[in-house]
Amino acid sequence: AQTVTQSQPEMSVQEAETVTLSCTYDTSESDYYLFWYKQPPSRQMILVIRQEAYKQQNATENRFSVNFQKAAKSFSLKISDSQLGDAAMYFCAYRSAFEMNNNAGNMLTFGGGTRLMVKP
Amino acid sequence: KAGVTQTPRYLIKTRGQQVTLSCSPISGHRSVSWYQQTPGQGLQFLFEYFSETQRNKGNFPGRFSGRQFSNSRSEMNVSTLELGDSALYLCASSSGLAGGPPYNEQFFGPGTRLTVL
Repeated sequence: AQTVTQSQPEMSVQEAETVTLSCTYDTSESDYYLFWYKQPPSRQMILVIRQEAYKQQNATENRFSVNFQKAAKSFSLKISDSQLGDAAMYFCAYRSAFEMNNNAGNMLTFGGGTRLMVKP
Repeated sequence: KAGVTQTPRYLIKTRGQQVTLSCSPISGHRSVSWYQQTPGQGLQFLFEYFSETQRNKGNFPGRFSGRQFSNSRSEMNVSTLELGDSALYLCASSSGLAGGPPYNEQFFGPGTRLTVL
């Protein structure tokens, strides 16, 4: 079974500064997807960024980028130019590519989350 | 395109009762997954339905069950409620198919907040 660990329960960042959220995972699979989801106080989960394990290039979406280290099983999220609207819970999640590619399932395994506070 | 809708948004029940939650996926999506979110256990996968069949199941007792209808709407049922069932229940919809666009992304609903007294 896969596990996802987020070691930082809370982080804070000054507005306009950069912050990095950590995530490690454990799996015996070689092909998988990794995601970062944002959950603001409204509780609506929003996909921030995704990474395919077979891609060496780190994913980037505007101010959000990841540092994917497959050998170390590490998947951190960097938020640049932090904004007040970035304040939320952030969850790292894992999905098996085998299950998906074989129509066998679509399950996400989540980490415990990191609460990000943004100071004005 | 309308998003994922969940009803009701809030629910208060007492121990021993049963409850049914509903999830309407995005039009065209055939997969609906359910997750339980609690402060102590975090986000945990309950089960996934695809084309009216349970395709995957998490580690929850048999009191938790679900079903999916031909229009892809899904319901989950919890019987004999316990205090520990108090949680935010999230559903997520996706195409559910291998190679589905894009990356078969899951779209989450706003959740149902269940309180068991």
